[in-house]
Amino acid sequence: DAGVTQSPTHLIKTRGQHVTLRCSPISGHKSVSWYQQVLGQGPQFIFQYYEKEERGRGNFPDRFSARQFPNYSSELNVNALLLGDSALYLCASSLVAGGTYEQYFGPGTRLTVT
Amino acid sequence: GEDVEQSLFLSVREGDSSVINCTYTDSSSTYLYWYKQEPGAGLQLLTYIFSNMDMKQDQRLTVLLNKKDKHLSLRIADTQTGDSAIYFCASKEDYGQNFVFGPGTRLSVLP
Repeated sequence: DAGVTQSPTHLIKTRGQHVTLRCSPISGHKSVSWYQQVLGQGPQFIFQYYEKEERGRGNFPDRFSARQFPNYSSELNVNALLLGDSALYLCASSLVAGGTYEQYFGPGTRLTVT
Repeated sequence: GEDVEQSLFLSVREGDSSVINCTYTDSSSTYLYWYKQEPGAGLQLLTYIFSNMDMKQDQRLTVLLNKKDKHLSLRIADTQTGDSAIYFCASKEDYGQNFVFGPGTRLSVLP
């Protein structure tokens, strides 16, 4: 079975630009979460979506937005990029959105902002 | 908010046991997880434990939870070079969506 897939693998953008990152969950999984992992740190929660609705949001500015599509894939959008947005962006999928849900992570998208 | 702490580095000899420690602050943390991250890769779920359990064993992995002290540990028996990676501890509330991760412990296994 295919795991969580993310695209693109790497991305280089300039300050002020916009970026869209994509994620396809494991087949059958209805929940997708996004995390930002800055070099040398643990992942930080950005969003969770379940059945196309936002179920949770971390402490990130409004420049960050996301959505989930009917096929449960998801996009993370970041506007007005800052140098500090350079990080590994991880997508995780799970069957459900609550309780002891086991999250499975994709390989991430490495975003570099220059 | 919740804070999860880990020691940053651990070095062991191949064949020895590794013990990675984690402390958390939120007593409402219901689920505690261990993830492994190899270079250039995403996070791999290793195991998790409910807060009403003291111990969980899964092959070479043993998780110990001291809920009173909010201390979690991961023991890897017979550590191999393939176990070299960064190990993250994470906590989650029962009805919350937010996983809170620690900074990760870099495990180096020496031959």
